[in-house]
Amino acid sequence: DSGVTQTPKHLITATGQRVTLRCSPRSGDLSVYWYQQSLDQGLQFLIHYYNGEERAKGNILERFSAQQFPDLHSELNLSSLELGDSALYFCASSVAPRPTGDGYTFGSGTRLTVV
Amino acid sequence: DQQVKQNSPSLSVQEGRISILNCDYTNSMFDYFLWYKKYPAEGPTFLISISSIKDKNEDGRFTVFLNKSAKHLSLHIVPSQPGDSAVYFCAANVRSSGDKLTFGTGTRLAVRP
Repeated sequence: DSGVTQTPKHLITATGQRVTLRCSPRSGDLSVYWYQQSLDQGLQFLIHYYNGEERAKGNILERFSAQQFPDLHSELNLSSLELGDSALYFCASSVAPRPTGDGYTFGSGTRLTVV
Repeated sequence: DQQVKQNSPSLSVQEGRISILNCDYTNSMFDYFLWYKKYPAEGPTFLISISSIKDKNEDGRFTVFLNKSAKHLSLHIVPSQPGDSAVYFCAANVRSSGDKLTFGTGTRLAVRP
């Protein structure tokens, strides 16, 4: 157990729907990162929050949004879902506002399937 | 634009032999590099890292080599064990200003008993 908790582990939904993925960072970590891994793709950076504030944005679609709450958990909201949004979504956390010597700690991911 | 590239999607190696996984990068600002290992149904876990002030870093059976002029790094696993079978991701960062790690597409390593 890495200490980073992602729920749900699996999600199957229809096109056009909206889903929320949840991440609880490791105890003491203030940074939360979201990544998407599609088939045959690497880990694509979506967004980074540090202590409740957005720090960096990657190739995140306008249909996607995220936030980090005062208790430091984070949610990634995906709306108007398309088949191409099917992917593994990973959350990672770290204590600092930037990646530290060993990078960051990943959760086990949420597998989203859009049908 | 894929700034970190792992051109070999898969690699198969006999147990006990050396596994060499390669990674190339295009952004000359990157000055810190990491390797992660990922088993099925788990998230990536940190394996080993190297700063651009070094050209080699060793940790047990794992050694990472960095060739800055070629913008190339490699991970050597000696000797390879069946438990090393996993997907390996290379990642890079600009330590002074980078807010995130940039990952490659991964190489699936299979170690044959």
